[in-house]
Amino acid sequence: AQKVTQAQTEISVVEKEDVTLDCVYETRDTTYYLFWYKQPPSGELVFLIRRNSFDEQNEISGRYSWNFQKSTSSFNFTITASQVVDSAVYFCALFSGGSNYKLTFGKGTLLTVNP
Amino acid sequence: EAQVTQNPRYLITVTGKKLTVTCSQNMNHEYMSWYRQDPGLGLRQIYYSMNVEVTDKGDVPEGYKVSRKEKRNFPLILESPSPNQTSLYFCASSHIAGGSTDTQYFGPGTRLTVL
Repeated sequence: AQKVTQAQTEISVVEKEDVTLDCVYETRDTTYYLFWYKQPPSGELVFLIRRNSFDEQNEISGRYSWNFQKSTSSFNFTITASQVVDSAVYFCALFSGGSNYKLTFGKGTLLTVNP
Repeated sequence: EAQVTQNPRYLITVTGKKLTVTCSQNMNHEYMSWYRQDPGLGLRQIYYSMNVEVTDKGDVPEGYKVSRKEKRNFPLILESPSPNQTSLYFCASSHIAGGSTDTQYFGPGTRLTVL
């Protein structure tokens, strides 16, 4: 069975603060894919990043960065110098081809960035 | 423009009245899937399809049916809707081959209310 845990249900920060969203996953497969999606108040799901299990390099995209650590089964997401427009629900998800090709989502973290 | 479309976007119906939510993608994707999103539960997979005429249950298939007669379409059918199926529904699609997957593209969502 596969599982994704986002322990932080809600986070509130003040604009310009850095914030890290945690994601811990469980899978028995050696090949898998991890994703982060953003869901703004308008409701659509916006793709942020995809990472496969063989690529542990951290990635930076503007103010966003991701830290993938297989040793701790974590795929954390950091927003640097947060902005009000970053306010959204963020979902971490796991796709494992050996597990019936299901995409399993965490329950999401609601990030509120206050001006 | 590459996209996943869903119709209707909003629907209010009554218990027991059969309904279909359509999903269509124009990217020639093999894999299509339906999810429901409920507060505090994140997104849960209802059904998925690996290709035409190949469908399988996700985590919460009870009360739903699907079909995949054409590659581009993957309708979700509620034969006898009940109030506990009130939810936000997302359709998604992606390329898939040999256990690997590309990014899943999501439709805009369908907000269903069953009275």
